[in-house]
Amino acid sequence: GAVVSQHPSRVICKSGTSVKIECRSLDFQATTMFWYRQFPKQSLMLMATSNEGSKATYEQGVEKDKFLINHASLTLSTLTVTSAHPEDSSFYICSPGDPYEQYFGPGTRLTVT
Amino acid sequence: EDQVTQSPEALRLQEGESSSLNCSYTVSGLRGLFWYRQDPGKGPEFLFTLYSAGEEKEKERLKATLTKKESFLHITAPKPEDSATYLCAVRASNTGKLIFGQGTTLQVKP
Repeated sequence: GAVVSQHPSRVICKSGTSVKIECRSLDFQATTMFWYRQFPKQSLMLMATSNEGSKATYEQGVEKDKFLINHASLTLSTLTVTSAHPEDSSFYICSPGDPYEQYFGPGTRLTVT
Repeated sequence: EDQVTQSPEALRLQEGESSSLNCSYTVSGLRGLFWYRQDPGKGPEFLFTLYSAGEEKEKERLKATLTKKESFLHITAPKPEDSATYLCAVRASNTGKLIFGQGTTLQVKP
């Protein structure tokens, strides 16, 4: 199956700063990348879908100016949380799109203080 | 509206006590039903994809089945290392997105 990495695995930042999360598809060329968010004891919620070389499509209720997604290559997608606030603290997980088996990255735990 | 409901929310079993987890779904055009295992602080680990009613897949102590309205994840003679949250998701044909259920947290006691 697809091997997906995320960096960093954990990050703590101060309120008002920006944080960039990298997602790499190590053995699979991902034309589509999904970004999910998971709050404690809750399930995964899709935030946005990005296609390589084009703008991301955001789910209802997700601020596109706050969560900047870049999918510049088939192996790398980034999620930048701008002007982070404590309510943005969550577990962020990427998933390269695959028509048959969809794999997920190990996740990034973001804590905003 | 596409929807996925998992039950029970939590399940405690003794080691060796077989059971089943349920995933009920409504979706406009099913393009796959997915089962994942998630351990605390980690991303979901892919288990199975099922595509059509009647399909079954097995992996070690796990067996997934699919009907037109629901899927079951059967766990045979579970071990403590099977303790995790099991997530079910469906992919709708019109959007291609995965829609997740709330998960079933399984605890297997020795």
